[in-house]
Amino acid sequence: EAGVTQFPSHSVIEKGQTVTLRCDPISGHDNLYWYRRVMGKEIKFLLHFVKESKQDESGMPNNRFLAERTGGTYSTLKVQPAELEDSGVYFCASSQEVRTDTQYFGPGTRLTVL
Amino acid sequence: GEDVEQSLFLSVREGDSSVINCTYTDSSSTYLYWYKQEPGAGLQLLTYIFSNMDMKQDQRLTVLLNKKDKHLSLRIADTQTGDSAIYFCAAPSYNTDKLIFGTGTRLQVFP
Repeated sequence: EAGVTQFPSHSVIEKGQTVTLRCDPISGHDNLYWYRRVMGKEIKFLLHFVKESKQDESGMPNNRFLAERTGGTYSTLKVQPAELEDSGVYFCASSQEVRTDTQYFGPGTRLTVL
Repeated sequence: GEDVEQSLFLSVREGDSSVINCTYTDSSSTYLYWYKQEPGAGLQLLTYIFSNMDMKQDQRLTVLLNKKDKHLSLRIADTQTGDSAIYFCAAPSYNTDKLIFGTGTRLQVFP
C-alpha cells in the first residue's frame, strides 16, 4: 500500500511569488491534515479536511494560505504571495478515522523563500 | 494552551540505552505518539501508547507513561548509529483531531 506522497520535495521561490504544494493521502483515508515546521521549531498544525470539507482551519497563519481538496482525494496548499517567514517544511498526513486513529505522514515539502 | 515539551539534544554511545523524555499538558489525550525523522526524510510513526497503559514494549523500544506527572518517555535499548534522528513526541489536542508536537529531540549516536 502506498503511503502519503507529497510534491514537490523541494521548492525555492522568491518573495512575492506563488507556490502550490500537493499531497496525496493514503487511499481510502478521509482525513487529511497539513502541518509545517518552521526554522527548526515545533511542528504546527495548519488545517484538517474530512473528505472535501474543512473540519478545522484554526492553524492557517493568514489569508495568503489557501488549501483545497476538491473531490476529497488529493489536496493542494497554495501560498500567495510567499513571504520569507513561510520558509519551512510542510507536512501532510492522513488517517482513516478521527480522534483515535493514527496519522501517517508524508515526506514533506521543503519550501525556501528568498 | 496545550503544550508538549522535549529536550533538544541527546548524545549516546553506540550500544548504550537512550531515554528521550516528553511532558504534555492536556490530560485528556487518548493516544500519545512518538515519531522519528531521519535526515532528509519525512515523519515516520515509531510507536504509540494508549492513555490507559503505563508501559508498552516493542522490540528495542519501551514507552513509559506517567499520567499523574503527564510525562512520557521513549527508551531505545542497544542504540545503533541508524537510530540517529530527530524524535518527536505528539499528543492530540483536546476535543480536536490535530496533533500537538514537541520541538523534537535530536539523538546523536557515536561509536
